Amino acid sequence: AQTVTQSQPEMSVQEAETVTLSCTYDTSESDYYLFWYKQPPSRQMILVIRQEAYKQQNATENRFSVNFQKAAKSFSLKISDSQLGDAAMYFCAYTVNYGGSQGNLIFGKGTKLSVKP
Amino acid sequence: EAGVAQSPRYKIIEKRQSVAFWCNPISGHATLYWYQQILGQGPKLLIQFQNNGVVDDSQLPKDRFSAERLKGVDSTLKIQPAKLEDSAVYLCASSLGPGANYGYTFGSGTRLTVV
Repeated sequence: AQTVTQSQPEMSVQEAETVTLSCTYDTSESDYYLFWYKQPPSRQMILVIRQEAYKQQNATENRFSVNFQKAAKSFSLKISDSQLGDAAMYFCAYTVNYGGSQGNLIFGKGTKLSVKP
Repeated sequence: EAGVAQSPRYKIIEKRQSVAFWCNPISGHATLYWYQQILGQGPKLLIQFQNNGVVDDSQLPKDRFSAERLKGVDSTLKIQPAKLEDSAVYLCASSLGPGANYGYTFGSGTRLTVV
């Protein structure tokens, strides 16, 4: 079964500092996507960053970057220069990518990130 | 572009009552997902539609939950009768098509409290 594990229920970071959120996953597939979503109190899931498994280069989006270790099945999110607006729940998610795949996202339990001024 | 609309935003009901949630996806999005997010957990898929057909409802508790997507646009998720353990946020998401290539857009969800 495909599973996503986030081992840090809560994390805290000082404003302007860097924080890394951890995620591991289990799958027998070779072609898949990994995501980090942010969920603020408004509850809407907002895409932070996306990584395609067949791409060796780690994805980056401005202050957000990932460390994708395919062999270790690890997918961590690094937030640089943390801002107060980064405070939210962060979810790691996975879906397979092959012809005819349904695209269902499998989520971890989330990490609550607090940012201290 | 308008986002995924969901209503109501909040709902409180007593156990054994019935409740319905509504989702209006982004125009042209053929794929629609309903997720259940219990407090302290990540979202879990309940049902996936492709146009007005069901693609996956393997995790839908069919004895009490039902969903439909008439004309392949709006969708309604119903619970009857509700149990205490149904208290959760119900998220709707839509996509141009099945598969991660198309991306996903989520609504703001409905928070259900069953007392």
